[in-house]
Amino acid sequence: ENVLTQSPGTLSLSPGERATLSCRASQIVFNNYLAWYQQKPGQAPRLLIYGASSRIGGIPDRFSGTGSGTDFSLSINRLETEDFAVYYCQQYGSSPRTFGPGTKVEIK
Amino acid sequence: EVQVLESGGGLAQPGGSLRLSCATSGITFSSCGINWVRQAPGKGLEWVASISGGGDNIYYTDAVKGRFTISKDNSENTVYLQMNSLRAEDTALYYCGLRYGNDWPPPLIDYWGQGILVTVSS
Repeated sequence: ENVLTQSPGTLSLSPGERATLSCRASQIVFNNYLAWYQQKPGQAPRLLIYGASSRIGGIPDRFSGTGSGTDFSLSINRLETEDFAVYYCQQYGSSPRTFGPGTKVEIK
Repeated sequence: EVQVLESGGGLAQPGGSLRLSCATSGITFSSCGINWVRQAPGKGLEWVASISGGGDNIYYTDAVKGRFTISKDNSENTVYLQMNSLRAEDTALYYCGLRYGNDWPPPLIDYWGQGILVTVSS
């Protein structure tokens, strides 16, 4: 199983700042099949990015994904209050599909 | 608009059973991979089970193999998760999620329900 590790566990930032979240895989993610989800308190996760860097329709362009192989990142430019949430990476390059433990982006 | 609605959760004793249902609308159900993902209190996400659009492909995570059974009724646009021999560690919010298309196993989840709580406790 491809184990995903996310860092940091918690990121404390102010609105307007830039957030950079890391996701590292224990094995190469085939075809960079890596996705990012956002989960707000009391809500279901929402798919933001797939294929490491492709945004789902309707996701603001301040969200961007990069990376390949085993190292991936999600960046959020100019944080807005609605962006404070937990972010999970998920790989779908191999079975079983696995999620990272999440990074919480909180208001400083 | 795609809607996903889970039901059937609640409290069960260790060793007991529950059946979760996932009803969908607004999408061609038989063309979707349907998935159950759970989230233990304060924890991350765990992919539990999946069933393909035609029902001929099924996946379970090792932790539930032999105890959980996923099935679907295309005429009712509903997927079921029969959970037997429940354990305390099965306590979680269970999400039903849809992936449109025939990729197997489903790579991602496009549409999520709001989740249903399962508590296993004596």
